[in-house]
Amino acid sequence: DQQVKQNSPSLSVQEGRISILNCDYTNSMFDYFLWYKKYPAEGPTFLISISSIKDKNEDGRFTVFLNKSAKHLSLHIVPSQPGDSAVYFCAAGIQGAQKLVFGQGTRLTINP
Amino acid sequence: GAVVSQHPSWVICKSGTSVKIECRSLDFQATTMFWYRQFPKQSLMLMATSNEGSKATYEQGVEKDKFLINHASLTLSTLTVTSAHPEDSSFYICSARDQGSLSYEQYFGPGTRLTVT
Repeated sequence: DQQVKQNSPSLSVQEGRISILNCDYTNSMFDYFLWYKKYPAEGPTFLISISSIKDKNEDGRFTVFLNKSAKHLSLHIVPSQPGDSAVYFCAAGIQGAQKLVFGQGTRLTINP
Repeated sequence: GAVVSQHPSWVICKSGTSVKIECRSLDFQATTMFWYRQFPKQSLMLMATSNEGSKATYEQGVEKDKFLINHASLTLSTLTVTSAHPEDSSFYICSARDQGSLSYEQYFGPGTRLTVT
């Protein structure tokens, strides 16, 4: 049972344009969400998070949107840069519990 | 801040031998650490939650006698793959939560590539 799903295995975006990565979840108990970026043969790096009491959180070029009724979140990167090329994982958790559940990841490629 | 290290970064071992991987939080204390496994082009699979001073909690389907976890201090957790088989070859990643932080984010180590021949 895949509780967190990233349905797009890959995404290609032109440099300078907006990248939108999507994530869906099924467990309504999840109340905080995170996005991680991962390069090959490295551990994931935390990017941005959002609590279920918010619907938007912004940090520089990165903005995460949460739609609780649709059980959907998205990560917007604007403007996209070549260094943004990586695999992006969304993750969800329940406050008070410890573990995170990760999606399958989306490989983002930024084309010059 | 919030740096997690892993050692070794890669290891090759023969079938039947045991391999120990260390995970350290360098600038914070972590009562809880996590061990993940990642197969090529797949997601991170949580193997177990490591709690300082107590037994690890293993996810369903993970053999606790094969993947021994020890969390002896607030900055160190170890994963020992016992009697390794070629199918244990994978990328193992640890993460830790800063017990002094209100944030729920996990900080990840750089990973260890294990190859069993």
